[in-house]
Amino acid sequence: DIQMTQSPSTLSASIGDRVTITCRASQSISSWLAWYQQKPGKAPKLLIHKASSLESGVPSRFSGSGSGTEFTLTISSLQPDDFATYYCQQYSNFWTFGQGTKVEIK
Amino acid sequence: EVQLVESGGALVQPGGSLRLSCAASGFTFGNYEMNWVRQTPRKGLEWISYISGGGETIYSADSVKGRFTISRDNARNSLSLEMNSLRAEDTAVYYCARLQSGKSFTSWGQGTLVTVSS
Repeated sequence: DIQMTQSPSTLSASIGDRVTITCRASQSISSWLAWYQQKPGKAPKLLIHKASSLESGVPSRFSGSGSGTEFTLTISSLQPDDFATYYCQQYSNFWTFGQGTKVEIK
Repeated sequence: EVQLVESGGALVQPGGSLRLSCAASGFTFGNYEMNWVRQTPRKGLEWISYISGGGETIYSADSVKGRFTISRDNARNSLSLEMNSLRAEDTAVYYCARLQSGKSFTSWGQGTLVTVSS
């Protein structure tokens, strides 16, 4: 099984901050990585697929990068709507999620 | 607009059974692979089962293999999850999710809560 490890688990930031979340795969997954945003009581929402492709309708302040085993999600300027939990997910071999990164208000 | 609506979640005793359903609308259901994903505060998000568009191919996570069965009725635009021999650790919010090739899970339902407790 491919394990996904995110860091940090919690991140405190202010409006306008640049935020970076890291995701590491236990083996190479090429670019088969997705990022999701989840708010309390809601289902996850796909933000980025294939490591760096922005899903339609997602603001351009979100970006993804990486390949192989190391990936990052960056929010260029944090907005009030962005306080949420973010998950990475590999889909190279079945589907495995990271444990999540909660972005909270500083 | 793509809509997925789960139902069937309930409180059930350990060892019991439950059937979850997911009603799909807004897209040609039979053209898409579908999945069940569950979420707990302790284990986070966990993929549990996949079914191909025509229903010929099924995959399940080891944690539910032999106990849970995914199925679909394309004529009724419906996805199901038959859950048997339920355990306390199966307590979770269960989501159905549409898979789009190359993109992973592009659409999710709102979730349905299953609680396994005596």
